[in-house]
Amino acid sequence: LAKTTQPISMDSYEGQEVNITCSHNNIATNDYITWYQQFPSQGPRFIIQGYKTKVTNEVASLFIPADRKSSTLSLPRVSLSDTAVYYCLVGINNNDMRFGAGTRLTVKP
Amino acid sequence: EAQVTQNPRYLITVTGKKLTVTCSQNMNHEYMSWYRQDPGLGLRQIYYSMNVEVTDKGDVPEGYKVSRKEKRNFPLILESPSPNQTSLYFCASRLISRTYNEQFFGPGTRLTVL
Repeated sequence: LAKTTQPISMDSYEGQEVNITCSHNNIATNDYITWYQQFPSQGPRFIIQGYKTKVTNEVASLFIPADRKSSTLSLPRVSLSDTAVYYCLVGINNNDMRFGAGTRLTVKP
Repeated sequence: EAQVTQNPRYLITVTGKKLTVTCSQNMNHEYMSWYRQDPGLGLRQIYYSMNVEVTDKGDVPEGYKVSRKEKRNFPLILESPSPNQTSLYFCASRLISRTYNEQFFGPGTRLTVL
């Protein structure tokens, strides 16, 4: 199982871009990188998934360097409603992906 | 609306009293799973199911049972609940795909065992 390491917490201000980096040094060739967002007392919500280079959707961007040993979730112009816990998962399918403690992002006014 | 539903949302019970938490999805997903979330421990998988009548243990299956008699339903059964099963429980579902890993989570069930 690929182990992931993320910062425990981050603070930001409204309107700023937030980058959360996840380390996954033992990522396997077939592993995908998936990010989820979780608000208090709610189930996690899928944000984005990538395999290599850059992926962008309406919510976030995911940057993956060539060696794939890390990835960075980028949230453009965050608002107070982006305050949540963000999880980085690595694996082929959900049976080998693990939710760690995640990164608690706090957006301040 | 595509969704995963769980019932009940909140439950307070006593040690040893059997209970069932229901989970249902309307997206025709093959894969369903149960997680529990405890402070400082993240989400841990209890059981999962790849399809009807196919279930398997996750990381923390002790004290739990599941069944998958229909594709849309995946109930979690606690035959004899104990206080260490007090937790927030989430059901999730997804399509089985080699390249896409989006899981859809239910709203959660907060269980307290006294």
